[in-house]
Amino acid sequence: AQSVTQLGSHVSVSEGALVLLRCNYSSSVPPYLFWYVQYPNQGLQLLLKYTSAATLVKGINGFEAEFKKSETSFHLTKPSAHMSDAAEYFCAVRRNTGGFKTIFGAGTRLFVKA
Amino acid sequence: DAGITQSPRYKITETGRQVTLMCHQTWSHSYMFWYRQDLGHGLRLIYYSAAADITDKGEVPDGYVVSRSKTENFPLTLESATRSQTSVYFCASSGGPTTSYNEQFFGPGTRLTVL
Repeated sequence: AQSVTQLGSHVSVSEGALVLLRCNYSSSVPPYLFWYVQYPNQGLQLLLKYTSAATLVKGINGFEAEFKKSETSFHLTKPSAHMSDAAEYFCAVRRNTGGFKTIFGAGTRLFVKA
Repeated sequence: DAGITQSPRYKITETGRQVTLMCHQTWSHSYMFWYRQDLGHGLRLIYYSAAADITDKGEVPDGYVVSRSKTENFPLTLESATRSQTSVYFCASSGGPTTSYNEQFFGPGTRLTVL
């Protein structure tokens, strides 16, 4: 069975500060991992994905995430927060051995203070 | 316009009424999904479809019905709405001629309130 845990339902950072959103996964088989972002009153859009190639994955808007198998983690980072980064972020996991069901975490809302 | 659209964007209904939420995608994606988003639960899969005329239950299917007679459409029906079905509903699709089966593309959502 697969599951995703996002640590912290809310994270607040100052503009220009490091953004770190934590995600731990559980999967019995090698996973595909995703981060999605949701802006207010919009659907989710893909930020980045890990599909067993490079362990450090770069996404849009300056975000990146590192797959660490030993820690079963896929934390999302951005060196310098911008006001426009304020949104809700979802980590998700999917089997890479067939099937398509994607399990989403509960989400982390990012607040950016001026 | 190309993409994935949902209608209506907002809907208020009463307990016991039937409601249909529409989803349309123009990418010829094979897979389509319905999720509900509730505070503290993230997204939960209601139903999915691998192709026209192929549908299956997700995590929380009770009280919902789907159909997929055409590849591009995937309507979700609440046969007798209950207050617990008040939520934001998202349709998504994946897997087509020019996109991978890995990521999903989401519609803008339908905010449903059941009084």
